[in-house]
Amino acid sequence: DAMVIQNPRYQVTQFGKPVTLSCSQTLNHNVMYWYQQKSSQAPKLLFHYYDKDFNNEADTPDNFQSRRPNTSFCFLDIRSPGLGDAAMYLCATSTVQGADTEAFFGQGTRLTVV
Amino acid sequence: AQRVTQPEKLLSVFKGAPVELKCNYSYSGSPELFWYVQYSRQRLQLLLRHISRESIKGFTADLNKGETSFHLKKPFAQEEDSAMYYCALSGWAAGNKLTFGGGTRVLVKP
Repeated sequence: DAMVIQNPRYQVTQFGKPVTLSCSQTLNHNVMYWYQQKSSQAPKLLFHYYDKDFNNEADTPDNFQSRRPNTSFCFLDIRSPGLGDAAMYLCATSTVQGADTEAFFGQGTRLTVV
Repeated sequence: AQRVTQPEKLLSVFKGAPVELKCNYSYSGSPELFWYVQYSRQRLQLLLRHISRESIKGFTADLNKGETSFHLKKPFAQEEDSAMYYCALSGWAAGNKLTFGGGTRVLVKP
């Protein structure tokens, strides 16, 4: 009964080869987030969607892009992965209704760059 | 800009001892504060939020606006409490995005 599903769980890509990570949700939440989490560090927000409105963090590299074709799906595209992009990528969703903004996380996709 | 600070990277306590994880924040407006927990090999999940004023798994956290703190406490730690704990902040003034602190690893020894 997973509500936020990330595919794949593990992704190996070559240096410089474009890669796409996917996230789907069954919660009908209007906010979707992508976080990057490196070993022993806090999740770092890359960007988030509030419905179709895309919000990029100022320090997110241009190499990272995102698409949200509909409410349920969100994709993270890394155009030219570098060794430094190896990390766990977390997708999360939330609904903004009053003060209830609990975020629900997927299991994450661990990206390895070779 | 909003910021969340967790000064302790690691807390090691014995089973049955009290544990307190510190969290301080900076935010313009009325924040929503949360504690998230990540057990080994599990997804990040909400532990508790300040607005509900509830105790979850024996943990409580009080928002102190004067000190801009939201420390997490449990009077008697259990081995199953060993995990990574993240304090997080959200709010309308920050575009509803969830910002995490650096995390505190709690190790409860038998």
